[in-house]
Amino acid sequence: QLQLQESGPGLVKPSETLSLTCSVSGGSISDRRYYWGWIRQPPGKGLEWIGSIYNSGSAYYNPSLRSRVTMFVETSMNQFSLKLTSVTAADTAVYYCARQEYTSSGYFDYWGQGTLLTVSS
Amino acid sequence: SVLTQPPSVSGAPGQRVTISCTGASSIGAGYDVHWYQQFPGRAPRLLIYDNNNRPSGVPDRFSGSKSGTSASLAITGLQAEDEADYYCQSYDSSLKKVFGTGTKVTVL
Repeated sequence: QLQLQESGPGLVKPSETLSLTCSVSGGSISDRRYYWGWIRQPPGKGLEWIGSIYNSGSAYYNPSLRSRVTMFVETSMNQFSLKLTSVTAADTAVYYCARQEYTSSGYFDYWGQGTLLTVSS
Repeated sequence: SVLTQPPSVSGAPGQRVTISCTGASSIGAGYDVHWYQQFPGRAPRLLIYDNNNRPSGVPDRFSGSKSGTSASLAITGLQAEDEADYYCQSYDSSLKKVFGTGTKVTVL
């Protein structure tokens, strides 16, 4: 059974850079059938897609976040990561990583439990 | 979001409820629609993929459809355990992946 687990600092100061990692177990991040994505959910609000990355390192991002987002994949460790620069209180959210089926409107079939990131001084 | 859902729907146990998801530049452009169920404090769960397919383990009282610029999720034989938030998801040529605004289902 595929499992994903997010890890991160929990608290970040305004203007700093957020770094999150998703560890994948029970399956390979190199599986050609899938992308790997990040989705976030501010408290009490809806879901927002952040970006998705393939095992080759090719990534695409939400246009509203593109200037601040970078994703990486580390196939040797079966992990992928997210960096978000210049964070503000608006970036406070639960961040989920998920496996994404390899099509343009690909669905997310396995999700991590989520990690709460708070931006505060 | 470019996918619009009603904020809430409600129904009595055993009834049928439907949730709409409307998006001209996504659904109307022919892209597939997927649906997720989310309980408070939990990660979303894939409920319907590619418009009308259920993953293994999803009860057959959940069904999806798509027509024109809209898609719908139907829950027949509503149960208390179905009380949750529901989100649609698709693709928009400008915004890439998009989620709907979300719908809270209340079982009366």
